[in-house]
Amino acid sequence: AQSVTQPDIHITVSEGASLELRCNYSYGATPYLFWYVQSPGQGLQLLLKYFSGDTLVQGIKGFEAEFKRSQSSFNLRKPSVHWSDAAEYFCAVGPSGGYNKLIFGAGTRLAVHP
Amino acid sequence: GAVVSQHPSWVICKSGTSVKIECRSLDFQATTMFWYRQFPKQSLMLMATSNEGSKATYEQGVEKDKFLINHASLTLSTLTVTSAHPEDSSFYICSARGRRTGNSPLHFGNGTRLTVT
Repeated sequence: AQSVTQPDIHITVSEGASLELRCNYSYGATPYLFWYVQSPGQGLQLLLKYFSGDTLVQGIKGFEAEFKRSQSSFNLRKPSVHWSDAAEYFCAVGPSGGYNKLIFGAGTRLAVHP
Repeated sequence: GAVVSQHPSWVICKSGTSVKIECRSLDFQATTMFWYRQFPKQSLMLMATSNEGSKATYEQGVEKDKFLINHASLTLSTLTVTSAHPEDSSFYICSARGRRTGNSPLHFGNGTRLTVT
């Protein structure tokens, strides 16, 4: 069955520190992978996506993610976190064909200390 | 960029009443809309997929007679929670995709927090 695992429920980092949020997926075919961010009481904003090609993808707000097929992972990274990055982050997987029926991970809540 | 407007942003209703949530695509035609439900501190669970002009496709375990979805136009989909009960209290989020290929991105509304008393 298709699934997405985000092992870290809650992460706290200091402002300016680097960040890595983990995501592992289980999918039979070549997946489409996404990272979304959700601020409290808000909808979701797409940070970046991987469909094919270069396994290191760049997104908005200085985020990047690397697709590693051998590890079934799609970890999100940012070299220097800003206080405004505090939010909930969701990894999602979708079938080939893009944005149909995305399956979301449980989310990682990021707190940023000044 | 593409905007999806969801209304209301929050609603409180009494048990047994029905509540309608609207999802509008403001600057694009949404051929497909998805309705998600999010419990506190949990992930989004897809409830149903609706294509303009046809019946919605519900995910397993979602009661179609309780969660009525209508997608009558290319810019509007509605979710009606019928005979709401406290266990229906949740955060409901819609997303919409434009009239292009499957690679056209999803745009999310800001969600509706439903509280049933």
